Amino acid sequence: AQRVTQPEKLLSVFKGAPVELKCNYSYSGSPELFWYVQYSRQRLQLLLRHISRESIKGFTADLNKGETSFHLKKPFAQEEDSAMYYCALSGSARQLTFGSGTQLTVLP
Amino acid sequence: KAGVTQTPRYLIKTRGQQVTLSCSPISGHRSVSWYQQTPGQGLQFLFEYFSETQRNKGNFPGRFSGRQFSNSRSEMNVSTLELGDSALYLCASGEGQGATYEQYFGPGTRLTVT
Repeated sequence: AQRVTQPEKLLSVFKGAPVELKCNYSYSGSPELFWYVQYSRQRLQLLLRHISRESIKGFTADLNKGETSFHLKKPFAQEEDSAMYYCALSGSARQLTFGSGTQLTVLP
Repeated sequence: KAGVTQTPRYLIKTRGQQVTLSCSPISGHRSVSWYQQTPGQGLQFLFEYFSETQRNKGNFPGRFSGRQFSNSRSEMNVSTLELGDSALYLCASGEGQGATYEQYFGPGTRLTVT
């Protein structure tokens, strides 16, 4: 069975501060991991995936297989980063298992 | 390209009724997946269709069914509605293979069962 855990439902940081959204997963094989973001009144959209190893909007995420984690990080948070963030896992099938989400609020 | 579209956007039904939701994928995408989003259970996978065949199914009762047409448009049906079926139903169309596979989500259909 595959499972994704996001331990923080709510996270608030001040503008310019570093931010880290935690994600841990459980999967017996080699997972594909993603971060999706949902801004207010917008649809769910892909932020980044572990396979691409790229930085999107200043966010990065590193897959740590030893700790089964895929935490999302940004060194300097911006107010426009305020959104709901979902960590998701895809196993052998083309289905996404989502975490419960973390609502990030960046305070001015 | 136009994004994934879902109709209707909002729907109110009564317990015991049935409902059909529609999804039009991005042009060229042959994979369509459906998800249910509720405050209590979060985002849960319902099923995935590819070239008119259901390839994957989540852990939902048989009251939830779907189909895909030759033009890749998909419909989802819920029969004998229950109050707990009230949710946002998201459709996603996908492209790519393996690690490059990517899903694009629609705006969702908000279903309220009274």
